[in-house]
Amino acid sequence: EVQLVQSGAEVKKPGESLKISCKGSGYSFTSNWIGWVRQMPGKGLEWMGIIYPGDSETRYSPSLQGQVTISADKSISTTYLQWSSLKASDTAIYYCARLAYHYWYFDLWGRGTLVSVSS
Amino acid sequence: EIVLTQSPGTLSLSPGERATLSCRASQSVSSNYLAWYQQKPGQAPRLLIYGASSRATGIPGRFSGSGSGTDFTLTISRLEPEDFAVYYCQQYGSLVTFGGGTKVEIK
Repeated sequence: EVQLVQSGAEVKKPGESLKISCKGSGYSFTSNWIGWVRQMPGKGLEWMGIIYPGDSETRYSPSLQGQVTISADKSISTTYLQWSSLKASDTAIYYCARLAYHYWYFDLWGRGTLVSVSS
Repeated sequence: EIVLTQSPGTLSLSPGERATLSCRASQSVSSNYLAWYQQKPGQAPRLLIYGASSRATGIPGRFSGSGSGTDFTLTISRLEPEDFAVYYCQQYGSLVTFGGGTKVEIK
C-alpha cells in the first residue's frame, strides 16, 4: 500500500526541541518531493517547506524559513521536521505530503502529527 | 509570493444543490498550476483537482475545476451528504501557497 506514516502526537514545553517523522512506503521514496504543511487549531493549511529525499535539496516557505529544519534519510525512506526551541505558537497539526512527480501539488498525505506546546 | 483568496468563507447549501467556490490569485498562476483539496473534520486533506481542471484518481465526476490566470472555480454539481467539508485551493506555479479555505455547510 502506498502511504505516508507519521510519528505520534507530542506534548512539549516551550524551549524544548522536537523532531517528528514521516515514513514513506509502497513507492519509490527518492522519486518525489515530500512537503510539510502546518494547520494551527481551527485554521487553514500553511505550506512550510519541501525536501527531495534523493539528494536532500530543500526549499522553505519564506515566512517560516529559519524556524524549522527539514531533513531526510533516504536509507529508511523517512523525512523529518525539527525544532530547536519550541514556542506555544507551534501548537498545530503537522502533515507530511508527497508532491506529484514533476509537479508541486500534493497527491498523498499522511494522517498528521499533533504537536502541543504548553507550559 | 502569490496570495490566494477564497470566497465565500462559508457556503450554506442543501444536498442536491450546486456549489460554486472561487479562488483568486494576486498574480497570474503559471501554466494554471492550481489544485483543489477537500478536508473533513479530523482528517487529512484529499486531492480533488490538479492543473486547474483535471480530476484526481477516484474523484467523482460531480467535482469539476475551471479557470485560468488569476481566477479559478471549483464546482460541485449536486451536493452529496459527504461533500460538506472545507475546500482549499493551492497554487504550485511559484513555490507553493494555499488559500484560506471555503467551508461548505448544510443549510
